[in-house]
Amino acid sequence: NAGVTQTPKFQVLKTGQSMTLQCAQDMNHNSMYWYRQDPGMGLRLIYYSASEGTTDKGEVPNGYNVSRLNKREFSLRLESAAPSQTSVYFCASRQGWGTEAFFGQGTRLTVV
Amino acid sequence: GENVEQHPSTLSVQEGDSAVIKCTYSDSASNYFPWYKQELGKGPQLIIDIRSNVGEKKDQRIAVTLNKTAKHFSLHITETQPEDSAVYFCAATSYNQGGKLIFGQGTELSVKP
Repeated sequence: NAGVTQTPKFQVLKTGQSMTLQCAQDMNHNSMYWYRQDPGMGLRLIYYSASEGTTDKGEVPNGYNVSRLNKREFSLRLESAAPSQTSVYFCASRQGWGTEAFFGQGTRLTVV
Repeated sequence: GENVEQHPSTLSVQEGDSAVIKCTYSDSASNYFPWYKQELGKGPQLIIDIRSNVGEKKDQRIAVTLNKTAKHFSLHITETQPEDSAVYFCAATSYNQGGKLIFGQGTELSVKP
């Protein structure tokens, strides 16, 4: 049982480049999330999708876009990467309110 | 929107001692409060959660208390062991927030043998 799978695990980008972080879950969960983790800042919510076909902004959405491709997949796109987007990115999914969120292993992104 | 504050940011205890981590939340509509443990190089994992209709929940050495009036909740770990060393996160959400799950800043717990 794979759970939540994120690709890639590591990535180095140059300022201004674009990329898409992929996330897939095999637990038939309704809700999916993207967080970034920075030292001393905890896990900050970028975007989330409460159910297939919906997406909403989180705490720090600027500079990012998302696509809920289907119930399994939720991608995060950086259109023009900036050094401030250097971070570890986590995807998570859960069935709904009051249920456990399962996290992927994370993507370590460095923008130079 | 919801804001969750977590303290302390670092905590060092001796093996066998207790550890307490505290969180406050801003949205009185929040009614589900999970705690996650993150080991080095891994994603966070749920260790315990509590809903607003109860004041306390216990699971072996771990307990969580909730004070709805004061809008704060705490994680208590008794008889700490070196394997408890990790980063701990609290979170808050409500059914009305459309699934949004907001985390605190994290506490790095170090248990010294």
